[in-house]
Amino acid sequence: EVQLVESGGGLVQPGRSLRLSCVTSGFSFESYAVSWFRQAPGKGLEWVGFIRSKTYGETTQYAASVQGRFSMSRDDSKSIAYLQMNSLKTEDTGVYYCSRDVYAYVWGSWGQGTLVTVSS
Amino acid sequence: DIQMTQSPSTLSASVGDRVTITCRASQTINSWLAWYQQKPGKAPKLLIYKASSLDSGVPSRFSGSGSGTEFTLTISSLQPDDFATYYCQQYNTYYTFGQGTKLEIK
Repeated sequence: EVQLVESGGGLVQPGRSLRLSCVTSGFSFESYAVSWFRQAPGKGLEWVGFIRSKTYGETTQYAASVQGRFSMSRDDSKSIAYLQMNSLKTEDTGVYYCSRDVYAYVWGSWGQGTLVTVSS
Repeated sequence: DIQMTQSPSTLSASVGDRVTITCRASQTINSWLAWYQQKPGKAPKLLIYKASSLDSGVPSRFSGSGSGTEFTLTISSLQPDDFATYYCQQYNTYYTFGQGTKLEIK
């Protein structure tokens, strides 16, 4: 069974950093891209960025709203993807989801999400 | 950026009804459109990709159509489990979601 489990969320002050983890199992992690999405409280979904597999150079793409502040990485030996969030802003508050692509960058397997609250 | 606009924002319907949700893109996205269902406190669930392809395990009462800038999601006969929020998402140029359509019980 494909599983993705996010962790690392919590309360953080504006300007600080936080790293989220996406621990996966049930599939060949090294063969898949991983994307991150977020959802502010009571709001819609927003794409954050994705990281390709090693086959495609582990290259990354980010939404304009997080470009230069967030970065993604992966550890294929542990089947874990990471989202490093720096210079956090109050508008970064929300539930963060990781997801695996199922049809060429269509995101079909999702974790349960982890809540990030940026507040002083 | 490509903007996605869904209508209606809220839809009230009864079990057994046929319902349609519309999604419009601000520029052509060919058929690079997905539909997701989300229930409160849960992750989104992929229903349809490439505008009309049903994801594995999704009931056949769900269908999608359209291309270019106009797309629809149709549920042929609403079931109690279908009351949720639905999002369209373009993946022609990165990813953008519509604002969501909340499907409520009438």
